[in-house]
Amino acid sequence: EAQVTQNPRYLITVTGKKLTVTCSQNMNHEYMSWYRQDPGLGLRQIYYSMNVEVTDKGDVPEGYKVSRKEKRNFPLILESPSPNQTSLYFCASSLSSGDSNQPQHFGDGTRLSIL
Amino acid sequence: KQEVTQIPAALSVPEGENLVLNCSFTDSAIYNLQWFRQDPGKGLTSLLLIQSSQREQTSGRLNASLDKSSGRSTLYIAASQPGDSATYLCAVRPYYGQNFVFGPGTRLSVLP
Repeated sequence: EAQVTQNPRYLITVTGKKLTVTCSQNMNHEYMSWYRQDPGLGLRQIYYSMNVEVTDKGDVPEGYKVSRKEKRNFPLILESPSPNQTSLYFCASSLSSGDSNQPQHFGDGTRLSIL
Repeated sequence: KQEVTQIPAALSVPEGENLVLNCSFTDSAIYNLQWFRQDPGKGLTSLLLIQSSQREQTSGRLNASLDKSSGRSTLYIAASQPGDSATYLCAVRPYYGQNFVFGPGTRLSVLP
């Protein structure tokens, strides 16, 4: 089954403790991205990757890092999490950034609480 | 900077009604526009994608239209059902960038 898988689904942690949210897709998609969703602000893009070893900032990249060493994986790293990063996070992928008329596929989300 | 708005923010209708959800965007130069539904505690499910050269797309009871010149898209849901209850989001892909810009969503409740 074609899917985007995020782990963990839920995480409660404390300020300053490094964490990684993994994202994996099994559709051989080139384009992957991370979003955060906050009440009243909607979904905002954090980082995106057009292909392996190619990443770029979205609208709200501060406090986050990403890497794209393999096509299927796009982990989101919070080196020193802070309470303002408490949010619902989504990973998404689409077939090709070159062909922009491809729908995005989303994971089920990761709810992060930073205390 | 592209901004996307959706009206209404919430909508409650009785089962069987036809309804229209609205999406507006400030910059008409877009690659495409995509409609999603989001169920509580779930990710986003793609419903329809309209390319910039298209005027509408249909899937089952759903029909999405696009008017680039006026910066608007509508999602028409025919014969609504309680299972249609969800939040509906539209997102545009800007012409010269890769960032998808999302609207805040319309929360739909279809009452049995």
